[in-house]
Formats: sequence, structure tokens, C-alpha cells
Amino acid sequence: GQQVMQIPQYQHVQEGEDFTTYCNSSTTLSNIQWYKQRPGGHPVFLIQLVKSGEVKKQKRLTFQFGEAKKNSSLHITATQTTDVGTYFCAGPAFPEGGNNRKLIWGLGTSLAVNP
Amino acid sequence: DSGVTQTPKHLITATGQRVTLRCSPRSGDLSVYWYQQSLDQGLQFLIHYYNGEERAKGNILERFSAQQFPDLHSELNLSSLELGDSALYFCASSFHADTYNEQFFGPGTRLTVL
Repeated sequence: GQQVMQIPQYQHVQEGEDFTTYCNSSTTLSNIQWYKQRPGGHPVFLIQLVKSGEVKKQKRLTFQFGEAKKNSSLHITATQTTDVGTYFCAGPAFPEGGNNRKLIWGLGTSLAVNP
Repeated sequence: DSGVTQTPKHLITATGQRVTLRCSPRSGDLSVYWYQQSLDQGLQFLIHYYNGEERAKGNILERFSAQQFPDLHSELNLSSLELGDSALYFCASSFHADTYNEQFFGPGTRLTVL
């Protein structure tokens, strides 16, 4: 079935360093969503990308959707301790034998930031 | 605060038992999604309801069932519990039926099966 892979699984950086997480789908996605989950918290929506090659920025966060709409990345410039958490990507897929899409989630990238 | 509420916050029970988790979506949202999150397992989609009807199913075990009531709140029933069912269970809501829209997550219910 359709899969969404995220790498790396874990990343440890020094505060001020950059961080990138990559999301790869086995099939073309109509859109991709990114969520952040702080330790002990719940996932919080960050952004949705829809167009091929789309790039969106939120302050120090840059999100990209690949030209083929099969991969995406999240880049954080100059990480801060507030960036700590797990970043998930999710894309819609049709379940086998079903007509209604569901979100397929990557396993997430856990980011730790040393102050 | 996402506006999604889940009760209880914590639940401790024994193997073989049955529990019910409750979720109230954000005001105006018609879709409710249930997820299971275990350590190192990421978010596993269980089931999606839209306006009272089952919309999509994920890897939901036969021992688990859910429903969405006319007032749009939802319940997830877990029966014949096993140790491996210990996890964080999240409910999320959105306005539309399709997955094109962001989901708002509740704080979760932490289930411990002893």
C-alpha cells in the first residue's frame, strides 16, 4: 500500500544550527500537510502544500513540495529550543477498496536542540 | 487549545477489559478522526466519521469500534484489551469530509493496560 517515509527519524542539533527533515511518498500526492508535536503534547497543524514545486515560509521554517509531488521537506533555519518536538508529514491516499481518502502519516522526525 | 476535547485524560485498566474513549469536536466541525500513537510507532490512523457516517477506515482492530452521534461527539470502544493496546489515543476534527483540510487534535487519552 501507499507509504510515506520520513528521514531522519531523530536529529540532535546545537541551538543555532539548521535542521531539515524529508518526506517521501511512494505515490504522487494531491497535497501534503505538516504537523508539529511538542513533547507531551498533541499534533498541531503547521502548513499545507498543494502545488508542484510550491515553497512556503513561516518565519524560520521553509516548506517545499517537490516538482513530482512525491516528496516534501521542512527546513528550520537557526534552530531554537522552542523548535523541539516531532515533525510529521501526512498525505492523502485512497485505502484499498475504498472511495474516501485518508491521511497517511510519516513516522515523524524527532528534533532535539541543545541550548 | 484546539477546541477539541477528549475524556478521560488518563485510563488505567486490566487486560480483557473494555473501555470507552470520548471526543467532542470543535464547534462546527463535522469530521472526527481517531488515531493511536504508541512509542516509536508514529500516528496510526484508525477511523474517520463525517456527520455520523463512517468515512474511511485505517488499521483498526476488530476489537475496536467507534461511532459518531447526532450531536457529533464520537466514542471509541476498545474491548478485550491487551497489553499492546497501551497507547495515546488522539481524536481530531475538521469541518470538511475530505482530507484536504487541516485537522485539529485533542489533548489525547493515555490508556495503560496492565
